[in-house]
Amino acid sequence: EVQLVESGGGLVKPGGSLRLSCAASGFTFSSYSMNWVRQAPGKGLEWVSSISSSSSYIYYADSVKGRFTISRDNAKNSLYLQMNSLRAEDTAVYYCARDAYSAVVGFDYWGQGTLVTVSS
Amino acid sequence: EIVLTQSPGTLSLSPGERATLSCRASQSVSSSYLAWYQQKPGQAPRLLIYGASSRATGIPDRFSGSGSGTDFTLTISRLEPEDFAVYYCQQYGSSAYTFGQGTKLEIK
Repeated sequence: EVQLVESGGGLVKPGGSLRLSCAASGFTFSSYSMNWVRQAPGKGLEWVSSISSSSSYIYYADSVKGRFTISRDNAKNSLYLQMNSLRAEDTAVYYCARDAYSAVVGFDYWGQGTLVTVSS
Repeated sequence: EIVLTQSPGTLSLSPGERATLSCRASQSVSSSYLAWYQQKPGQAPRLLIYGASSRATGIPDRFSGSGSGTDFTLTISRLEPEDFAVYYCQQYGSSAYTFGQGTKLEIK
């Protein structure tokens, strides 16, 4: 069974840092691109970042570029999001999601999400 | 950045009725790069449609996707009680993904 389990969320002050993790199981992690998607309270979905299977390609939303860093460790079946210079508008549930296909768009498995709250 | 605009914002229908949800892109999107998701309160999104018209694994055939270019549609042929949720479209282009703002499908 495919499972994605996020951790690392919590309360942090503006300007602070946090590192999110996503533990993957039930599939060959090293074969799939992975993504972070966030959802502010009561709002819609916002794509944050993507990383290809071998980390060769990395993309960020403009809203987080220069502040967030995505990475992965295929030996540990884990995805990470290092978040620096956090702002109130970064408050959201952060989901990790698997890219289902290489040639078409679709995130087929999602974690349960981890809440990040940026507040003084 | 390609902007996706979903309409209507809220759709009020009864079980058994047909639902038609629209997703319009600010510029042309490859059909391969258009997906639809369903999200219920307190849950992660669920992939319904990928490649504009292909149903994801386990998705009932009452869900169908169509469209090309800048206009895409998600159709639910006959609404079941469990279909009332928020629906999002998603596209990929220029090394970035974007989501529409969502359509809330509510029970009338």
